[in-house]
Amino acid sequence: SQQGEEDPQALSIQEGENATMNCSYKTSINNLQWYRQNSGRGLVHLILIRSNEREKHSGRLRVTLDTSKKSSSLLITASRAADTASYFCARTSIGTYKYIFGTGTRLKVLA
Amino acid sequence: GAGVSQSPSNKVTEKGKDVELRCDPISGHTALYWYRQSLGQGLEFLIYFQGNSAPDKSGLPSDRFSAERTGGSVSTLTIQRTQQEDSAVYLCASSPRQGPDTQYFGPGTRLTVL
Repeated sequence: SQQGEEDPQALSIQEGENATMNCSYKTSINNLQWYRQNSGRGLVHLILIRSNEREKHSGRLRVTLDTSKKSSSLLITASRAADTASYFCARTSIGTYKYIFGTGTRLKVLA
Repeated sequence: GAGVSQSPSNKVTEKGKDVELRCDPISGHTALYWYRQSLGQGLEFLIYFQGNSAPDKSGLPSDRFSAERTGGSVSTLTIQRTQQEDSAVYLCASSPRQGPDTQYFGPGTRLTVL
């Protein structure tokens, strides 16, 4: 399968705690993006990180990229009930514009 | 401004019938993508368009699937002789340009083949 692997598959935390999700992949990438999906419908873009970047921040979100380990992580700090969703990483490989999505992490934040 | 829209939002059809799914991208976006998502799964790439041409059709599952885009805007995904395994949510996304860029997703069409 070309899909990346995300772990954990499911994560349940208390409101206020931090949530960390990981994404691994197999081929060299051009960039990697993280998306959120609520209720199994449209996805919302969160962060794009390029292959020459190691870390990016956006509000309570922090994304890291380790190209030597072919992995990325998404950290959500001070989680809220509204963060409950599925989170996917998506990447493009060098020389192609096809996005490969991971299998997703289902995050549940308990109030 | 208006986002990506898809129609219908839900489609129930009988096995063997043809269906057409429509995607209206954000105005001015040159790249358009189709994905399929089965229940509880990740997104499966189907096809992408740059303008009206489709440089990569490698994700189409079979020759029953086809897609076109006209005027660099609206795209239609057609599934002929639908099978039960075609049941899924079909998602469309557009990007301002080709290449590594943010994708803006529509709400999807939930297809159920009985």
